[in-house]
Amino acid sequence: GAGVSQSPSNKVTEKGKDVELRCDPISGHTALYWYRQSLGQGLEFLIYFQGNSAPDKSGLPSDRFSAERTGGSVSTLTIQRTQQEDSAVYLCASSQGQGNPYEQYFGPGTRLTVT
Amino acid sequence: AQSVTQLDSQVPVFEEAPVELRCNYSSSVSVYLFWYVQYPNQGLQLLLKYLSGSTLVKGINGFEAEFNKSQTSFHLRKPSVHISDTAEYFCAVTFTGFQKLVFGTGTRLLVSP
Repeated sequence: GAGVSQSPSNKVTEKGKDVELRCDPISGHTALYWYRQSLGQGLEFLIYFQGNSAPDKSGLPSDRFSAERTGGSVSTLTIQRTQQEDSAVYLCASSQGQGNPYEQYFGPGTRLTVT
Repeated sequence: AQSVTQLDSQVPVFEEAPVELRCNYSSSVSVYLFWYVQYPNQGLQLLLKYLSGSTLVKGINGFEAEFNKSQTSFHLRKPSVHISDTAEYFCAVTFTGFQKLVFGTGTRLLVSP
C-alpha cells in the first residue's frame, strides 16, 4: 500500500516568508508526527497528533511554528517569517496509534532551504 | 532528562567484515528501543525494535541488536556487511507513556571494497 507522502520534496524560500509543508499519512493511521533533521541539531521531535486528542506541541522551537491536522488525516506544518536556522529536512511519520509504541513509518521528507 | 548517545559519528569498515554500532540511553523509566536506517536522500526505515521479551532482536538485512538493561545499551551488529549497507544509522527510544521518538545523533557506516 501507499506509504507516508510529503510535499513538496524541496522548498527554497526567502527569509521572512511563510511556508507550508504537507504530510499525507498512511491510511488508517491515527497518530502523526513531525520531526526536523538538521546538521546542527540532528533529529528533533516537533509535534505529535493522536486521534482527536490535543496535540503534543512540546517540540516546537518557537511560536513561528504551528501545525494542524484536518479530518484526522492530512497535516500541514506552517513556519511563519522563516529564518535561515529553519533550513532543515522536515520529516513526517505516522503510526497505528497510542498505547504501545507502534512502529513509526516515515515519509521521504521536505528539504527546506531559507536564503 | 532522557537521552540517547551514539558515540561513533562514523564507522569505516571493509566489505564482509563484522560491524557494531553503539547506542547507550539514559532513562529513569522503562524504554522501548529502535534502530532506523537512512539511505542517501531517503526517509528513515525501521531496522529492528525492542519492546519486551528476548533481549536479542533480529531485524531486516541481517542486522541484530541486544538490549542490555544493566548497561543501558542497545548496540547494533551485523556479522558481515555489504557495500549496500552504507548509510546513516539512528538509535531511538521512546518512553513508557510517551510516543515521540528521541534520536541519537546517528552513525554513518561506510563500507568499502
